[in-house]
Amino acid sequence: AQTVTQSQPEMSVQEAETVTLSCTYDTSESDYYLFWYKQPPSRQMILVIRQEAYKQQNATENRFSVNFQKAAKSFSLKISDSQLGDAAMYFCAYNYGQNFVFGPGTRLSVLP
Amino acid sequence: EAQVTQNPRYLITVTGKKLTVTCSQNMNHEYMSWYRQDPGLGLRQIYYSMNVEVTDKGDVPEGYKVSRKEKRNFPLILESPSPNQTSLYFCASSFQYNQPQHFGDGTRLSIL
Repeated sequence: AQTVTQSQPEMSVQEAETVTLSCTYDTSESDYYLFWYKQPPSRQMILVIRQEAYKQQNATENRFSVNFQKAAKSFSLKISDSQLGDAAMYFCAYNYGQNFVFGPGTRLSVLP
Repeated sequence: EAQVTQNPRYLITVTGKKLTVTCSQNMNHEYMSWYRQDPGLGLRQIYYSMNVEVTDKGDVPEGYKVSRKEKRNFPLILESPSPNQTSLYFCASSFQYNQPQHFGDGTRLSIL
């Protein structure tokens, strides 16, 4: 069974600084999708970024970018110019076929 | 407005009393899915559906049932709830399974 690991249960970053959240996954498949979702205290689940495994180019979305290392099965999220509104729980998710597997999450605090 | 609507938002009930959590989406999405979120475990997939009358088990289906009689609705049924099903539940939908999912606002379920 596929697994997703987020080794940092909690992290903090100073406002305007950069932070990287780590995610590793285990799979024997070659064609899959990876996502980062954000869950603020309102408990809504909000898409941050999506990566297709067959694309070597790392996905970016404004201040959010990923470092996708397929061979290492690593999918880290970099948040640049951190803002107070970035404070949330971040979940990494793996998708193959109709199945989704989420990691346990990393709680990010942003310090003013 | 494009949305996934779950009801109820909160429910406290007792062991063994059948309950249904409704989920409806207005985006004509093919794919719908149910998750439960527990601290330290992230989101775990309960059931998913590729289309009307097509459903399949996720990673934690025991104790749950679903149906997909109409494209827009995907209710989650707990026929004999037990305390270990106390959790935060999310319904989600997307055009295809590998596309970003739209999530409902969640249902906090407590079973005494």
